[in-house]
Amino acid sequence: DIQMTQSPSTLSASIGDRVTITCRVSQSISSWLAWYQQKPGKAPKLLIYKASTLESGVPSRFSGSGSGTEFTLTISSLQPDDFATYYCQQYNSYYTFGQGTKLEIK
Amino acid sequence: EVQLLESGGGLEQPGGSLRLSCAASGFTFRSHAMSWVRQAPGKGLEWVSSISGSGGSTYYADFVKGRFTISRDNSKNTLYLQMNSLRAEDTAVYYCAKSQDPTMVRGYVDHWGQGTLVTVSS
Repeated sequence: DIQMTQSPSTLSASIGDRVTITCRVSQSISSWLAWYQQKPGKAPKLLIYKASTLESGVPSRFSGSGSGTEFTLTISSLQPDDFATYYCQQYNSYYTFGQGTKLEIK
Repeated sequence: EVQLLESGGGLEQPGGSLRLSCAASGFTFRSHAMSWVRQAPGKGLEWVSSISGSGGSTYYADFVKGRFTISRDNSKNTLYLQMNSLRAEDTAVYYCAKSQDPTMVRGYVDHWGQGTLVTVSS
């Protein structure tokens, strides 16, 4: 089974900050990785697929990079609406999700 | 607009059964693989099961094999999850999830339902 290690588990940041979340995978998945945003009581929302492709309608301050076993999600300038929990997901073999990163206001 | 509406959740005793449904609209249902993903209270997302667009291929997480059955009715645009031998650890919000691909080969989830809560408790 493919294991996902997402870090950090919690991140405190301020409006305007640049933040990066990392996802490490136990085996190479090429670029078959997606990122989701989830707010309390709501369903997840797709942000990025194929490691770096921005989903339509998602603000350009979100970006993704990486391939193989290490991936990052970067938010270039935090906005109030960005405080949420973020998950990475591999879809090379079935689905596996990272443990999540809760982005909190500092 | 893609819409996924889950139903069928509720309170069930350990060892009992529930059947979840997901009514889909706004896209060509048979052209997309579908999945169930769950989230226990205060926890992360966990893949449960998937089915190809045709219904000919099904996939399960190890912890539900032999207990849960995924199916779909493409004439009714509806996805199902039959859940038997329920355990306390199955307590979670269950989300219906649409893949952008007809198979489970490199298809990511592009839309999610709002979820239905399943509580297993005596």
